[in-house]
Amino acid sequence: GESVGLHLPTLSVQEGDNSIINCAYSNSASDYFIWYKQESGKGPQFIIDIRSNMDKRQGQRVTVLLNKTVKHLSLQIAATQPGDSAVYFCAVSGGYQKVTFGTGTKLQVIP
Amino acid sequence: DGGITQSPKYLFRKEGQNVTLSCEQNLNHDAMYWYRQDPGQGLRLIYYSQIVNDFQKGDIAEGYSVSREKKESFPLTVTSAQKNPTAFYLCASSIGSRRSYNEQFFGPGTRLTVL
Repeated sequence: GESVGLHLPTLSVQEGDNSIINCAYSNSASDYFIWYKQESGKGPQFIIDIRSNMDKRQGQRVTVLLNKTVKHLSLQIAATQPGDSAVYFCAVSGGYQKVTFGTGTKLQVIP
Repeated sequence: DGGITQSPKYLFRKEGQNVTLSCEQNLNHDAMYWYRQDPGQGLRLIYYSQIVNDFQKGDIAEGYSVSREKKESFPLTVTSAQKNPTAFYLCASSIGSRRSYNEQFFGPGTRLTVL
């Protein structure tokens, strides 16, 4: 089956620096690659997704990069702020209504 | 305000009892989902429903049951057959079109503890 894993369980970043969260996936047939943010005690919140025919997509202060050759996905957050502290999940989808989530990376922003 | 509500926030149950977790949405979304989250783990799909009166098993459906009698509601019953029911349960919804399932809107979750 599909597996999705993040490279680091915890990432500490100085406020104002850029953050990079990495993710690996196993199924090359995945259609979309997705990032979610989960703050403590809350449900996850959609950040951004990218289709498999793209290699880069930008949102507000975030950029997602997709490298299908090595099955690698990353989320870059520019000018990291204290409000960015959360657990970040990458996820993949390849079938209708089915999304597979990774284990999450906890981002800690140091003031 | 539109959104998804889950109740209760914390739930305690004695071993051997069934318990039902509530999930209501007023976003007019067709699709709804139930996930389970364990400490340090990602989300695992229990059940999902694309339309009223229809639902499908996810990856870990054993010991759980659902119903979808109304568009707004998708309750989850954790039965006594579920071997390790203590977990954080998350309900979500999405519009229901081909791509929209990527963007799921989550409720605040219910933390179930079996004593």
